[in-house]
Amino acid sequence: NAGVTQTPKFRVLKTGQSMTLLCAQDMNHEYMYWYRQDPGMGLRLIHYSVGEGTTAKGEVPDGYNVSRLKKQNFLLGLESAAPSQTSVYFCASTLTLRYEQYFGPGTRLTVT
Amino acid sequence: LAKTTQPISMDSYEGQEVNITCSHNNIATNDYITWYQQFPSQGPRFIIQGYKTKVTNEVASLFIPADRKSSTLSLPRVSLSDTAVYYCLVGDKRQAGTALIFGKGTTLSVSS
Repeated sequence: NAGVTQTPKFRVLKTGQSMTLLCAQDMNHEYMYWYRQDPGMGLRLIHYSVGEGTTAKGEVPDGYNVSRLKKQNFLLGLESAAPSQTSVYFCASTLTLRYEQYFGPGTRLTVT
Repeated sequence: LAKTTQPISMDSYEGQEVNITCSHNNIATNDYITWYQQFPSQGPRFIIQGYKTKVTNEVASLFIPADRKSSTLSLPRVSLSDTAVYYCLVGDKRQAGTALIFGKGTTLSVSS
């Protein structure tokens, strides 16, 4: 049982490039989340999903898109990366809203 | 959304009890209070959750007064490994998009 895994762990992009971050969980969780964390800041919710095939906007959704085609995977896409998107990205999942959220190890993204 | 206010930082010594207070003056009837711990370069980890009065688990205790406008996380006999950032979250567990609103957290530094 690997829990929540994130791919890749590190990435450097040039401004304007695109990429997809993958989050996978093997706990059969319904809810999945994408956050970003900037230095000295708490986590901010980007997008979330309450089940396969559903997505919704969080606190800071601009510049990102997401997809949840399979229950175990939640993808975060950056279509045209900007330096302001330099951050650490965390994925989380939970079985239902009654239970605790499990976080992945994070992806450190630098946009130059 | 109920916002939270926590001290930016706290210092303690090994073996002491640490109490971190979180203020949430506009907490709603359906909101729960949840605390997470985060170590550097890791995702947050669930500590404890409660609605009212007192909740205790093997790691911490959570004290919530009757008016629920604040809560206190109590860590008994801290060790160096308890040095981390602690986040207080307030949200309606029925609302996936609001249940995980993180603030800046409290940085706890434990010294020997």
